Amino acid sequence: AQKVTQAQTEISVVEKEDVTLDCVYETRDTTYYLFWYKQPPSGELVFLIRRNSFDEQNEISGRYSWNFQKSTSSFNFTITASQVVDSAVYFCALSETGANSKLTFGKGITLSVRP
Amino acid sequence: ETGVTQTPRHLVMGMTNKKSLKCEQHLGHNAMYWYKQSAKKPLELMFVYNFKEQTENNSVPSRFSPECPNSSHLFLHLHTLQPEDSALYLCASSQLPPGQGSGSYEQYFGPGTRLTVT
Repeated sequence: AQKVTQAQTEISVVEKEDVTLDCVYETRDTTYYLFWYKQPPSGELVFLIRRNSFDEQNEISGRYSWNFQKSTSSFNFTITASQVVDSAVYFCALSETGANSKLTFGKGITLSVRP
Repeated sequence: ETGVTQTPRHLVMGMTNKKSLKCEQHLGHNAMYWYKQSAKKPLELMFVYNFKEQTENNSVPSRFSPECPNSSHLFLHLHTLQPEDSALYLCASSQLPPGQGSGSYEQYFGPGTRLTVT
C-alpha cells in the first residue's frame, strides 16, 4: 500500500523567508511518481511538479525547488524568498505505476506568508 | 473557457433534494475524475472515467451517481445526501494512455463545488 506523510500541518513565515515543506512517502514499487500540488484559497489544485522515481536530480523552477532523496523516501519542496501569494495549502502525492495506479495525497500543509 | 470548469461553485441542499454537479474540461484530455475533500482529511478519489467508461469507483455510496456523456463533460448526481457529505467536490482531468492507471500523469483540477447538506 502506498502512503504519503506530510508531518507539518501549518507553517507561518514572514515574506522573503525561505521555507521547506516536507514530504515522506511509502511504497513497495520500484517505479513510481511523485507530485506536488498547490491549493490557493480559490480552491482548485494547481499542478506544480511530477517526478519519476528513476530521476533523482533535484529541480529548480524560479523560486521553487524540489529535493528528491530516494534513500530517505522524501520529496521536499522549498520556496525561496517567499511571497504573500505563496500562501496556500500544498499537497504532496504519490502514484505507483500500472493499470491500477492512482494518486494518494498527503493531508496537506497550510502555508501562511505574512507581509 | 480554459482548463477545467465546475458549476455551481456553491450549493446548499437539504437531505431530500436532488441536485447535480457539472464539470467540463477544455484540455482535450480523455480521463476525468471526481474527488471529495473534507476538512482535516486527505483528498479522496471517488470515480474515474477513461474514454467515457467508468474505470474506478472507490466504494462510494449509491447516493452519488456519476455520469460521463463524453470525454469533456462529467456530472455528479446527488440524492438523499447526509450532512457528512458536506465537502468540497473537485473535478479533475488528465491525459491517460491505454492501459495506464489514473495516477500516472498529472491531473488538472477545477475550482470545486462547495457543498453543504442541511
